[in-house]
Amino acid sequence: AQTVTQSQPEMSVQEAETVTLSCTYDTSENNYYLFWYKQPPSRQMILVIRQEAYKQQNATENRFSVNFQKAAKSFSLKISDSQLGDTAMYFCAFLSYNTDKLIFGTGTRLQVFP
Amino acid sequence: NAGVTQTPKFQVLKTGQSMTLQCAQDMNHNSMYWYRQDPGMGLRLIYYSASEGTTDKGEVPNGYNVSRLNKREFSLRLESAAPSQTSVYFCASSSRSSGANVLTFGAGSRLTVL
Repeated sequence: AQTVTQSQPEMSVQEAETVTLSCTYDTSENNYYLFWYKQPPSRQMILVIRQEAYKQQNATENRFSVNFQKAAKSFSLKISDSQLGDTAMYFCAFLSYNTDKLIFGTGTRLQVFP
Repeated sequence: NAGVTQTPKFQVLKTGQSMTLQCAQDMNHNSMYWYRQDPGMGLRLIYYSASEGTTDKGEVPNGYNVSRLNKREFSLRLESAAPSQTSVYFCASSSRSSGANVLTFGAGSRLTVL
């Protein structure tokens, strides 16, 4: 069975600085997707970034980028130039290409300080 | 607006009562999911349905049943509610028809079991 582990329950960063959130996963499958989702206090789930496992190149979306290490089963999120609006819960997620089963990690609460 | 609609948004039940959470999507997505979110536990998958007519257990299926009524609708039923089922429930849907996975969440349903 697949698992997703986020080992940092809480992180904090100063505005304009860079922060990295960790995520590791376990699977025996070769084809899958990985995601980072943001959940602000409104509870809305917002897609931050997506990575297909077959792609070697790390995904980037503006200030957000990932470090995808397939062999190590690691998928960390780097937020550059942190902004106050980045304050939220961040969830890492794994989607099986074979079964469409989608599971999440326990989340990292990120606080950005002025 | 197109998206995932969950009803009801709030519900209070007494132990032993039954209820059904309804979820509908109008994006022609194939897969649908039910999650529960508890503090410190992230989003845990209850059941999912990869296509119309199929359902599969997730990480925490005990105490729940689901029905994939048609492609649009995926309901979650609590036959005999327990205080441990107090949670926020999210429905989501996804599709890989465009080659990349698109996941859309409902706004959540807060359930309290007394």
